[in-house]
Amino acid sequence: GIQVEQSPPDLILQEGANSTLRCNFSDSVNNLQWFHQNPWGQLINLFYIPSGTKQNGRLSATTVATERYSLLYISSSQTTDSGVYFCAVEEDKLIFGTGTRLQVFP
Amino acid sequence: EAGVAQSPRYKIIEKRQSVAFWCNPISGHATLYWYQQILGQGPKLLIQFQNNGVVDDSQLPKDRFSAERLKGVDSTLKIQPAKLEDSAVYLCASSLDEGRGSSYNSPLHFGNGTRLTVT
Repeated sequence: GIQVEQSPPDLILQEGANSTLRCNFSDSVNNLQWFHQNPWGQLINLFYIPSGTKQNGRLSATTVATERYSLLYISSSQTTDSGVYFCAVEEDKLIFGTGTRLQVFP
Repeated sequence: EAGVAQSPRYKIIEKRQSVAFWCNPISGHATLYWYQQILGQGPKLLIQFQNNGVVDDSQLPKDRFSAERLKGVDSTLKIQPAKLEDSAVYLCASSLDEGRGSSYNSPLHFGNGTRLTVT
């Protein structure tokens, strides 16, 4: 089955810093979604992005399907950005990656 | 719009007992999913419904897990009997996706989950 790997596994930032999270996948996919899981466990859909670039406030995402990767950019990070970021790709079902745990300190 | 509702929020049971979780998806969402998330891992799909029909239950341990979605709206997930390794968060999600096979052509929206502890 398809493998979904995310990097880095852990990231510690000071408030105001920028970061880039990466998602690599081992085969062609129909679409890709990014999620944020906050410290209370709630999973929030950030982007539905099978290809191209999208932006939402301080967050943006780019998927290059032909090269089998997606990037999530977080600018001017805030403490509320802390949590785990997952990418998920569709094979015949939605497969979640290993996650990047982000901690933002004031 | 109201989000995906799940209950209970927490549940503690002893092994070999039974437990049931309930999910009410976002109104109008045709597709409903149950995921299991073990601590430190990403969610894993257990079962996917399209309206009241099962689209994918290939990763559901059918000897002990069952799920139903009567009338294509609410859904329940049951574990009977529970094992220690079933301790996890059980997440329900829904999407507007009307189908075309198993294509995920709209974003998933998750509930807050039920944290199950089996002792």
